[in-house]
Amino acid sequence: DQQVKQNSPSLSVQEGRISILNCDYTNSMFDYFLWYKKYPAEGPTFLISISSIKDKNEDGRFTVFLNKSAKHLSLHIVPSQPGDSAVYFCAAFSRGSQGNLIFGKGTKLSVKP
Amino acid sequence: EPEVTQTPSHQVTQMGQEVILRCVPISNHLYFYWYRQILGQKVEFLVSFYNNEISEKSEIFDDQFSVERPDGSNFTLKIRSTKLEDSAMYFCASSDIQGMANVLTFGAGSRLTVL
Repeated sequence: DQQVKQNSPSLSVQEGRISILNCDYTNSMFDYFLWYKKYPAEGPTFLISISSIKDKNEDGRFTVFLNKSAKHLSLHIVPSQPGDSAVYFCAAFSRGSQGNLIFGKGTKLSVKP
Repeated sequence: EPEVTQTPSHQVTQMGQEVILRCVPISNHLYFYWYRQILGQKVEFLVSFYNNEISEKSEIFDDQFSVERPDGSNFTLKIRSTKLEDSAMYFCASSDIQGMANVLTFGAGSRLTVL
């Protein structure tokens, strides 16, 4: 039962270019979507979130876009930097849940100098 | 920057043994969580805890699992009789609010290997 899907296990991008990480979901009841970043030997770190009532949220180099009709969200990183190389997890939750974040499998981003 | 601390970083145990994983959440946080990630799979919710009670638990969190906040700083996950399939990375997390943003701060994880 994959309510949150990240279909690309890996992505390689040149430094300075745009990185686009994609995420699809099946549950239309999700209220919030989040992106977490994870380096090896560390826990996931919160990056950016978006409410289901919005279609875009921007924070510096990071922008998340939400297309509710397509049940799709994407994370854009512009410009990409080598330090952005990590595994990126898409996650979602419903307002009624008590901390039950539903995660995707993650996409490993490699930014090459 | 405040962080969630987990011990041990790696534990190897024999099948059937009891294991306790420990976590020190961020000091002013009131909501605590355990997640796990089996190698190659996604991060999965186990349990959330607030006001000394379980708020929500997943199907994974069966009678073999328990959580406790034995004092004002520690939050523990106990697996009573470990199985091979319990081998995973276990992440503790905490948050100061619950609801709108639900931004969890995760620890670095405890890797459990069951032989």
